[in-house]
Amino acid sequence: GEDVEQSLFLSVREGDSSVINCTYTDSSSTYLYWYKQEPGAGLQLLTYIFSNMDMKQDQRLTVLLNKKDKHLSLRIADTQTGDSAIYFCAELSYNTDKLIFGTGTRLQVFP
Amino acid sequence: EAGVVQSPRYKIIEKKQPVAFWCNPISGHNTLYWYRQNLGQGPELLIRYENEEAVDDSQLPKDRFSAERLKGVDSTLKIQPAELGDSAVYLCASSLNTEAFFGQGTRLTVV
Repeated sequence: GEDVEQSLFLSVREGDSSVINCTYTDSSSTYLYWYKQEPGAGLQLLTYIFSNMDMKQDQRLTVLLNKKDKHLSLRIADTQTGDSAIYFCAELSYNTDKLIFGTGTRLQVFP
Repeated sequence: EAGVVQSPRYKIIEKKQPVAFWCNPISGHNTLYWYRQNLGQGPELLIRYENEEAVDDSQLPKDRFSAERLKGVDSTLKIQPAELGDSAVYLCASSLNTEAFFGQGTRLTVV
């Protein structure tokens, strides 16, 4: 079956880099996504990567994909207090065509 | 361009009462999703539509939940009767290809 796991919490100092990790089990994943959710808000799509890519960079965001280990990470450079939120990893399964979410990582940025 | 619009934002009802949520997807998006997000967890898919056809409703509790997307545009999700355990945020999302965009959600509290 499909399962997506993330660590629950991450705390970083403003200006440092944050790295949020995700592991998944579905080997048929086609796309992998990172969403951001602020309190009381819906999910905001940050970036996504196709499964045949290793890396994608978009301004302060860098996504790394290790398909062999089924490991996805999101690096946020120069983390700001406005980056404090819950970050969800999600994978789109080729077999089921379902978008499966992890439990989310709460990022806290302190001054 | 307007994003995914959901209403109401908040709903408080007594158990055993009916409730309905409405979603207007982004114009032109043929795929529409309803997700449920329990507190501290990631979203879980309830139902997915391709145009007006429900192509995946395997996670929808059909004894009390129903959904429709009659003209392949906006959609309603209904719960009748509601139970205490239905308290959650109900998220609607739409997509055209690989990117799914979410609405702000409806927070349901059943008392």
